[in-house]
Amino acid sequence: RKEVEQDPGPFNVPEGATVAFNCTYSNSASQSFFWYRQDCRKEPKLLMSVYSSGNEDGRFTAQLNRASQYISLLIRDSKLSDSATYLCVVNNNAGNMLTFGGGTRLMVKP
Amino acid sequence: DAGITQSPRHKVTETGTPVTLRCHQTENHRYMYWYRQDPGHGLRLIHYSYGVKDTDKGEVSDGYSVSRSKTEDFLLTLESATSSQTSVYFCAISEAGTSADTQYFGPGTRLTVL
Repeated sequence: RKEVEQDPGPFNVPEGATVAFNCTYSNSASQSFFWYRQDCRKEPKLLMSVYSSGNEDGRFTAQLNRASQYISLLIRDSKLSDSATYLCVVNNNAGNMLTFGGGTRLMVKP
Repeated sequence: DAGITQSPRHKVTETGTPVTLRCHQTENHRYMYWYRQDPGHGLRLIHYSYGVKDTDKGEVSDGYSVSRSKTEDFLLTLESATSSQTSVYFCAISEAGTSADTQYFGPGTRLTVL
């Protein structure tokens, strides 16, 4: 079983739609959680950190459920520019060793 | 954007040849990392460095070595390239190396081993 699992998609949604991605992780000792965005043939970039209380950044909302060991990302009012691969990332120890999920591809259509 | 460059950006080489990839940063960050990204696997850590001449292995370190003689440069060497090392290689940096610290990635190097 992979340490961090994501549905690879693609999720094809129309502009303006709300879309949600989930990610599960296997290590209950995981300490920090992130969503990164990766555009085609580009490097990953931090989208947002995920906090236990949940956090929002504009149209993006991230949630963490430690009991069930999953993380979610909600995108409201999808834009064409949101088309990308979204990487779920978990830090499993006290150092900065990140474990990446395989990514979920989102395609927003006009 | 963080000041991270990688060279070369693309390389095609033959099996058995040595290859060195360079990562250069202008942020004076202490931590540097090398990852590879392959379809179906996501990004996987190869080696990382927590200071000049201080390095450690990651998840997929076999067949790779690294060196860091200056804060700004982190080199990844494939001593004898194999076709299984065909991949996209990303360098990353972080300032403090804590669990909540953000990693910033370079633009990547596409390596093809024939």
